[in-house]
Amino acid sequence: DTAVSQTPKYLVTQMGNDKSIKCEQNLGHDTMYWYKQDSKKFLKIMFSYNNKELIINETVPNRFSPKSPDKAHLNLHINSLELGDSAVYFCASSQERLAIQQYFGPGTRLTVT
Amino acid sequence: GENVEQHPSTLSVQEGDSAVIKCTYSDSASNYFPWYKQELGKRPQLIIDIRSNVGEKKDQRIAVTLNKTAKHFSLHITETQPEDSAVYFCAARVNDMRFGAGTRLTVKP
Repeated sequence: DTAVSQTPKYLVTQMGNDKSIKCEQNLGHDTMYWYKQDSKKFLKIMFSYNNKELIINETVPNRFSPKSPDKAHLNLHINSLELGDSAVYFCASSQERLAIQQYFGPGTRLTVT
Repeated sequence: GENVEQHPSTLSVQEGDSAVIKCTYSDSASNYFPWYKQELGKRPQLIIDIRSNVGEKKDQRIAVTLNKTAKHFSLHITETQPEDSAVYFCAARVNDMRFGAGTRLTVKP
């Protein structure tokens, strides 16, 4: 019955690699998000995606790209991983883009060595 | 874009005392202000929220106040318990949600 799920939960990889994190929501929501939480616990939005409309936070490097095969999934692809990409990545969803409540996934802890 | 500042960054209280966390925002068009609680190793979860047309909202031991003129809002937790220990995030939304930097609350038994 998990509303928003992510895989994997932990990901350890080397610099320069390309990796993906998957997110799925079974709530029937129209909008999904990716957040990055760094070691200082600061939670920053990376993307929001709604009915094929992608809103990108301008501070996100173009090595990061979201891919949505359908409304229930929003995967995060990261190319040429860097040490500074190490963080916990949270997927979230909401009924619509301006809906009041966002539901977070369990997070993926990415460690780049 | 919206800028949300949160204070304090850490807060330690004795069980039974009250805790107050304050946030300010920059964009007067912000219309929704949620508070999330994140326990260690867990996901952020909404605990209370307030819309811009309301000045105060209460849910059992937690309450949120909003001062639109001053552009600040606060979380109040009364009769704190050890299980209230967590990181608390405020957020403000115009279009996308912008989060504060978080407050690590520790409630000592």
